[in-house]
Amino acid sequence: QVQLVQSGAEVKKPGASVIISCKASGYTFMTYYMHWVRQAPGQGLEWMAIINPSGGRATYAQKFEARVTVTRDTSTSTVYMEMSSLTFDDTAVYYCARWPVTGTTSLDYWGQGTVVTVSS
Amino acid sequence: DIQMTQSPSTLSASVGDRVTITCRASQRMSNYLAWYHQKPGKAPDLLIYKTSILESGVPSRFSGSGSGTEFTLTITSLQPDDFATYYCQQYDSYPWTFGQGTKVEIK
Repeated sequence: QVQLVQSGAEVKKPGASVIISCKASGYTFMTYYMHWVRQAPGQGLEWMAIINPSGGRATYAQKFEARVTVTRDTSTSTVYMEMSSLTFDDTAVYYCARWPVTGTTSLDYWGQGTVVTVSS
Repeated sequence: DIQMTQSPSTLSASVGDRVTITCRASQRMSNYLAWYHQKPGKAPDLLIYKTSILESGVPSRFSGSGSGTEFTLTITSLQPDDFATYYCQQYDSYPWTFGQGTKVEIK
């Protein structure tokens, strides 16, 4: 069965960086792009980035372009999202979600979410 | 960027009610519009994609329609499991954007 398993909760200080992983299984990794979406406490969903697993090219929302880097390791079917220069406003649940390279559907499987808390 | 605006923000309804949620895009877009629902503490679940196509396993009481700048999600007979927050999302162009959400509450 399809699974996207994310790394565990993180607590970081302002100015620090965080790396979240998303390990895919149950499907052919190269046939789905991976997206990152975040949700601040009590707020809506915010799209952050997408990575093409074939070639590793990533596209970012302008808001995150300067301090977010998404990479992938095809040998382990894992995608990583690194965010630097954390502020209190980055406290959120971060989700990875897949999207088929071909096809018209949207984000059909999501990870369980990783809580990132930025606290001094 | 395409801004997505949902209405209403909150909706109070009873089991068996017909419910409609509207999503308006800030500019004309293709039919690459999806709907999700989300329960507290859980990841969103895809309900509908490409405006009107039901994701596998989604009950037929859910339907989607629309074009251009206005899209709707309809639940024909609200069930207890449907009380959740609903989001529309455009995947017509980057950056992908979500509506702010509609919370469906028990009346």
